[in-house]
Amino acid sequence: DADVTQTPRNRITKTGKRIMLECSQTKGHDRMYWYRQDPGLGLRLIYYSFDVKDINKGEISDGYSVSRQAQAKFSLSLESAIPNQTALYFCATSETGFEQFFGPGTRLTVL
Amino acid sequence: GQNIDQPTEMTATEGAIVQINCTYQTSGFNGLFWYQQHAGEAPTFLSYNVLDGLEEKGRFSSFLSRSKGYSYLLLKELQMKDSASYLCAVRALKAAGNKLTFGGGTRVLVKP
Repeated sequence: DADVTQTPRNRITKTGKRIMLECSQTKGHDRMYWYRQDPGLGLRLIYYSFDVKDINKGEISDGYSVSRQAQAKFSLSLESAIPNQTALYFCATSETGFEQFFGPGTRLTVL
Repeated sequence: GQNIDQPTEMTATEGAIVQINCTYQTSGFNGLFWYQQHAGEAPTFLSYNVLDGLEEKGRFSSFLSRSKGYSYLLLKELQMKDSASYLCAVRALKAAGNKLTFGGGTRVLVKP
């Protein structure tokens, strides 16, 4: 079984809808991250969390919110989706801030 | 803040060597990572440099010069499976959360 899982893997939605992307990990890591990837722009950090009570904004947090329900679960929400949030979203975990382990990604399309 | 530059695309022949350069400007440096990402897949860790010099791991080597804000990833004896994007990422200081900032990635195409 994969150590970092993301659901859904693909999602098509309409402008204005609320969307939640979920991430679960079995690695026992405290640190979890949400990134989005756009062609030519690399991975950009949306939010990160060092433990259940510690949530931090990344470089592009506007329009997004997160919830760390447990050590193993970190969810990303788009309260009112817009087309420029169409992207590939990755969750990642890390034990010490060193190597990050990425989930398989969620491809989100906002029409 | 961080600014990271790497070429968009490179093409090389199977069996050859390719060097992917990465230059960075940062307000606080705490290590440089290289990740490999095949199309449609998650990035996977390749290498880490925090001190100046060359780190070798099989066919892949990574070099760092902190004074020049420069790193390269060297891929030797290229194989078709090495066709992928290679992401350079700089880690911020602990006080800034050890966050990673990624470059745009270099897509390497290996031709027979």
